[in-house]
Parts: sequence; structure tokens; C-alpha cells
Amino acid sequence: QVQLQESGPRLVEPSETLSLTCTLSGRSISNSYWNWIRQSPGKGLEWIGYVYYSGFTNGITNYNPSLKSRVTISADTSKNLFSLTLTSVTAADSAVYYCATRDFDYWGQGILVTVSS
Amino acid sequence: QAVVTQEPSLTVSPGGTVTLTCDSTTGAVSSGHYPSWFQQKPGQAPKRLIYDTSNKESWTPARFSGSLLGGKAALTLSGAQPEDEADYSCLLSYSGGRYVFGTGTKITVL
Repeated sequence: QVQLQESGPRLVEPSETLSLTCTLSGRSISNSYWNWIRQSPGKGLEWIGYVYYSGFTNGITNYNPSLKSRVTISADTSKNLFSLTLTSVTAADSAVYYCATRDFDYWGQGILVTVSS
Repeated sequence: QAVVTQEPSLTVSPGGTVTLTCDSTTGAVSSGHYPSWFQQKPGQAPKRLIYDTSNKESWTPARFSGSLLGGKAALTLSGAQPEDEADYSCLLSYSGGRYVFGTGTKITVL
């Protein structure tokens, strides 16, 4: 059974870059899609995007149009993890960030990231 | 991009039946949107209950069922239990490989 674990800084200053990592166990990152989702306090879920990596591609990505200009999702096959980078953050980016499998059937526990000075 | 709307809150009596719906601003929801439903309890990650409109996970209680109803995706809870009190979100897949979550429904069993 696949397990996912988010990690990264829990406090980010406004205008800076948010960087999170999702480490996988129980499944190879290769040949599958991996998602990032977030949930602002008291709000609904928001799909951020996904990355797909295989031996034949450098990583296919797809992003939520509302975040596309600030988001990068990438994969590191040597470490079996994938990452999220969100630039120019504001308080509106404060949220619990989750990583999940292709079909959203397995999720990490989530990590609360606060944007504040 | 599409907005997916759900009832903000619904209340059901213990043992009663309630239906949640999932509507898209782009038009009727179909099986081609591969509707999924998630249950989320406070402090926990969402847990998928239903996928591809009506398929259940191995952990999904039999009292939950998914369907298409009047151009919307629907989740029906028949025989509500106190432990079913939670937030429920739908997820739709759109062309171009993009996903949109619904606004979420808070279910109270009272």
C-alpha cells in the first residue's frame, strides 16, 4: 500500500517561495501521476496540479489555471519524491497542502503552511 | 474555469436518507467527468468513498451510493449513522486533464 508524507517549512514570508516535498513509500514514482491539493482554513479543496514521470519523459505537468503562473511540480525519481513550488505567496496561500495519488485514492496527512511575516 | 457547486449543509436524522449533489457551471455532469466523492472529518485528510460515478472503495460502507441525477452527480447516504457526520466533497475531471473540487457539503446527523 502506498504511503505519502508531506514535508517542508510551515511558515513562509509574504512574496517568498513556498516549497514542499511529498515522499512516497510502497510505490515507485515512475509511470504514474502525482497530485498536489490544498485547503485554506475553513474552505474547500483546491486541486493545484500533477506531475507524471516515466523513463521516456522529463515530467509531464498540468496545473490549475488559476495558479499556473506561480506553480511548478517536479519529480525526483532517485529519491522517490515529488515537489511543489509556489512563488510570490500571499496570505491567501495559507492552507493545508496535501499530496495524493493519481486517482486521489491515497493522500498524505497534509501539512499546514502559513504565510506571514 | 468550471465552478462545481454543492449544498453548503444538510441535516439528516439517524437512520434517515440524504442525497448530496454536485453541479457544474459548464453543463450537465456526466460519467465522462468521472465523479468522485470524498469524506473528510476534522483534522483528517479526505478519504475517497466513490469513484467513476458509482464505484465504491473497499472501505466504503454499503449505505453510501453514487449516481447521476438530473444532470448532477449525487451521493446518497441511506441509514445515516452518527459517524457519518463530516464534510463531503465531489471531484470532477475536465478536458485537458484538469480537476475541480466541489464547494463541499457539511452533513449533520441529528
